[in-house]
Amino acid sequence: DQQVKQNSPSLSVQEGRISILNCDYTNSMFDYFLWYKKYPAEGPTFLISISSIKDKNEDGRFTVFLNKSAKHLSLHIVPSQPGDSAVYFCAAAGSQGNLIFGKGTKLSVKP
Amino acid sequence: KAGVTQTPRYLIKTRGQQVTLSCSPISGHRSVSWYQQTPGQGLQFLFEYFSETQRNKGNFPGRFSGRQFSNSRSEMNVSTLELGDSALYLCASSEGHASSYNEQFFGPGTRLTVL
Repeated sequence: DQQVKQNSPSLSVQEGRISILNCDYTNSMFDYFLWYKKYPAEGPTFLISISSIKDKNEDGRFTVFLNKSAKHLSLHIVPSQPGDSAVYFCAAAGSQGNLIFGKGTKLSVKP
Repeated sequence: KAGVTQTPRYLIKTRGQQVTLSCSPISGHRSVSWYQQTPGQGLQFLFEYFSETQRNKGNFPGRFSGRQFSNSRSEMNVSTLELGDSALYLCASSEGHASSYNEQFFGPGTRLTVL
């Protein structure tokens, strides 16, 4: 039973345009959400997070939006750059602190 | 500071064998968590060790075990390997308990292939 779902395995975007990566979750008790970025042959690196008491968090080109009523969050990258091409994982922090990850979305930004 | 290191980076084993993977956390970090990444299941939590004690455990069979040493280095062991154990095994370290407030830093992973 997937508690964190990323329904799009891949996304292709033109350089300079907006990339929107989506994530849904089922457990309303999650109180913290994170996005990680992963390049091949490297471990995931933390990108941005959001607490459940907020609905938006912004860091440079990256913005995460949280819609608690819909149990949905999204990551917006504006403008997208070729170096953003990677696999993006959405994660929720469980009650014990372990991270519960989605299956990832592979983003390709074309020049 | 040096990042999280994992050894070996690649490993090939046959069914029925056992394997031990090693993780050295960032200096000063006391928590080490292990994750399994497969194409079908994404990243799944295995267990967390903090100050040599297993603090939390995911939903994996008892063939998967781990331990942590006094210097915070951690090892993960998988016994009686199955084909389905082929995966990228990632470890992550954090200063305090793995939680919303303590960022986890990941190593590059060990790619295990079971033939």
